[in-house]
Amino acid sequence: AQKVTQAQTEISVVEKEDVTLDCVYETRDTTYYLFWYKQPPSGELVFLIRRNSFDEQNEISGRYSWNFQKSTSSFNFTITASQVVDSAVYFCALSEEATDSWGKFQFGAGTQVVVTP
Amino acid sequence: SQTIHQWPATLVQPVGSPLSLECTVEGTSNPNLYWYRQAAGRGLQLLFYSVGIGQISSEVPQNLSASRPQDRQFILSSKKLLLSDSGFYLCAWRGTAEQYFGPGTRLTVT
Repeated sequence: AQKVTQAQTEISVVEKEDVTLDCVYETRDTTYYLFWYKQPPSGELVFLIRRNSFDEQNEISGRYSWNFQKSTSSFNFTITASQVVDSAVYFCALSEEATDSWGKFQFGAGTQVVVTP
Repeated sequence: SQTIHQWPATLVQPVGSPLSLECTVEGTSNPNLYWYRQAAGRGLQLLFYSVGIGQISSEVPQNLSASRPQDRQFILSSKKLLLSDSGFYLCAWRGTAEQYFGPGTRLTVT
């Protein structure tokens, strides 16, 4: 069963628009981590953020912000004032620490973000 | 600081030929290491992971194998490549909880 769902396959925006990427996860563990990664056209996955299950504080880093809501099992990612350099595939991932101590990830299918000038 | 290397960057191999992809990590000891494959269409599939020298766990039955001969070296191999082995292969090591990925190897089997 898919444990991480990224329902949006592709999002196209014009530069300076905001874009929100949805991530819904499923787990029975009480201890888990959630992550977001960026994959630009070069292919390398770039780590953006880690959030553990006990920390529901939202986070802002420059134009990036993350909204973690355990009540809805969601960990959404917003890019404010998008730029062409934000064009990439973005992945959400889950690591279930209680049932899997080896740190394996469950990745979502990814969301392609296309930012046009 | 930690660095992860993969080589080669690109590879074109005929069906039935052997394969060896190498991954090395610098700046950390006894890391958990992972091999992923990304076929066209984006999805990331975990192939193997290792928690120490000689310790390999396979996630999916396939035409590939992995080995960890040294603490910071992880090798992905095949004796005979199939067309379906084409894809983008990524190696990763585990930090506190996140994984850090190498630059990847793009493999095309012809």
